Amino acid sequence: EAQVTQNPRYLITVTGKKLTVTCSQNMNHEYMSWYRQDPGLGLRQIYYSMNVEVTDKGDVPEGYKVSRKEKRNFPLILESPSPNQTSLYFCASSLLGSGEKLFFGSGTQLSVL
Amino acid sequence: AQSVTQPDIHITVSEGASLELRCNYSYGATPYLFWYVQSPGQGLQLLLKYFSGDTLVQGIKGFEAEFKRSQSSFNLRKPSVHWSDAAEYFCAVGAGQTGANNLFFGTGTRLTVIP
Repeated sequence: EAQVTQNPRYLITVTGKKLTVTCSQNMNHEYMSWYRQDPGLGLRQIYYSMNVEVTDKGDVPEGYKVSRKEKRNFPLILESPSPNQTSLYFCASSLLGSGEKLFFGSGTQLSVL
Repeated sequence: AQSVTQPDIHITVSEGASLELRCNYSYGATPYLFWYVQSPGQGLQLLLKYFSGDTLVQGIKGFEAEFKRSQSSFNLRKPSVHWSDAAEYFCAVGAGQTGANNLFFGTGTRLTVIP
């Protein structure tokens, strides 16, 4: 089954404790992206990747890192989480090209205390 | 820079009634336009998209949307709403350039369906 898998589904952590949210897709997609969803703000892009070893900042990259060492994986790293990073995070992937359909993971609800 | 406005934060309709969700965009050229739906606890699913050609596009689950260049709008419609349509709906615009896959999302409209 074609899917984007995020883990964990829920995560509660404390300020400053490094964490990684994993994202994996099984569709051989070149493009992958991370979004955060906050009430009243919709989805905002954090980082994206057009292919292996090619990443770029989205609209809200501060406090986040990503890597794309393999085509299928695109982890989101929070080196020193802060409470303002409490949010619902989505990973998405697609074929490369304008207007390609984005496939979304089920989301990771992160709470930073 | 592109932007998307969804003026209605929350809409309530009765089951069987018609639905229209509004979306206005700002972009210099003809944009790539999308509607996505998010059911509770789920990721987003594509309903429909517009690139060019016929300005009325059909999507899944009986939804359609009409692109109106003169009004910079891409409103989503459904003639008869079902209880299972209760969800949050997001309009999105793509730039069609480098990073063309990148989408800019509106803030969403939450749809409640009452029996």
